Amino acid sequence: EIVMTQSPDTLSVSSGGRATLSCRASQSIGAMLAWYQQKPGQTPRLFIFGASTRATGVPVRFSGSGSGTEFTLTISSLQSDDSAIYYCQHYGAWPRTFGQGTKVEIK
Amino acid sequence: QVQLVESGGGVVLPGRSLRLSCAVSGFLLTDYGMHWVRQAPGKGLECVAVISHDGSFKEHADPVKGRFTVSRDTSKNTVYLQMNSLRVDDTAVYYCARDQNYYFDYWGQGTLVTVSS
Repeated sequence: EIVMTQSPDTLSVSSGGRATLSCRASQSIGAMLAWYQQKPGQTPRLFIFGASTRATGVPVRFSGSGSGTEFTLTISSLQSDDSAIYYCQHYGAWPRTFGQGTKVEIK
Repeated sequence: QVQLVESGGGVVLPGRSLRLSCAVSGFLLTDYGMHWVRQAPGKGLECVAVISHDGSFKEHADPVKGRFTVSRDTSKNTVYLQMNSLRVDDTAVYYCARDQNYYFDYWGQGTLVTVSS
């Protein structure tokens, strides 16, 4: 099983600031990585797939990068609506494991 | 439009069974694989089971292997998760999710399963 590890657990950034979330895979997964956003009481929402492709409706301030074992989700100018937990997930094999999540807060 | 609607959750005693359903619309189960994903209270996401678009591939995560079984009825556009020998640590919101080229593009709203004596 591929283990996904996210850092940090919590990220507190000022409104308009830059947020950088990291995700590491225990073995190479190429670009088979997705990011999901989950707000309290809501269903997870696909944000990024293929490590860097934004899903429909995702604002351009969100960008994904990386390949192999190291990945990054960057929010270039944090808005209040971006407060949520972000999960990375590999999808190259079963089981499709998730990271433990990074909670993004507005400072 | 694409919709996934889970049902069947509830409160159950340890050792008992439940069957969850995921009714889909806006697409055909024969075109997409489907997953069950659970989230324990205050915890992260865990894939539980998968069934492929043609029904030939089914897999279950180690914590539920031998107790849970995924299946589907294409005539009803519904995916099921039969959960037997339920344990307290199976308590979670259970989501079904559509597999789009291996990542999950649509999710249901979830159904809560509480296992408690």
